[in-house]
Amino acid sequence: GENVEQHPSTLSVQEGDSAVIKCTYSDSASNYFPWYKQELGKRPQLIIDIRSNVGEKKDQRIAVTLNKTAKHFSLHITETQPEDSAVYFCAARTSYNFNKFYFGSGTKLNVKP
Amino acid sequence: GAVVSQHPSRVICKSGTSVKIECRSLDFQATTMFWYRQFPKQSLMLMATSNEGSKATYEQGVEKDKFLINHASLTLSTLTVTSAHPEDSSFYICSARHQFSNQPQHFGDGTRLSIL
Repeated sequence: GENVEQHPSTLSVQEGDSAVIKCTYSDSASNYFPWYKQELGKRPQLIIDIRSNVGEKKDQRIAVTLNKTAKHFSLHITETQPEDSAVYFCAARTSYNFNKFYFGSGTKLNVKP
Repeated sequence: GAVVSQHPSRVICKSGTSVKIECRSLDFQATTMFWYRQFPKQSLMLMATSNEGSKATYEQGVEKDKFLINHASLTLSTLTVTSAHPEDSSFYICSARHQFSNQPQHFGDGTRLSIL
């Protein structure tokens, strides 16, 4: 099955700096990669996703890049703000099982004002 | 956007009680819903996949007689934690996926279950 690894587990940045969270996956059949943001005690919310037919996707201050050859994808947050502080999860889904999302272990992002 | 409603948000009860958690997709039809368990500071652990009109598919190590799942309609799935014990205390989150397979999962608000 698929195995998703996520790094770092914690990340502290100064407000205004950029933050990068990286994930790797093992199954070359994975073709959909969403990123979720979870604030303490709340639901994970989809913030951006990317499919395997593109290498990069951007939405305002958030971008995701995908390297299929190396089997890794990254979340980039620019001009970080205190409200970006949360736990971020990457996930992968294979083309042969739409029902199963494999989640990374999470990254706790702390943006210091 | 897609909305998933989960109730109750918090349950505190005595050991031995059975607890039912509801997950509803409010503005879309979900042939498949998912139940996750999340321990503090850890990732989401998939417990089972709930299929409308058929039996749920449980992940390895998850007791199906302990965690009963019913998905009777395209908008409602329920998880019943039977005879709950303190070790069942956790954050339970459901998610639902639109019937079209290329859509992402949308999560409910979660249920914090505390067994005394």
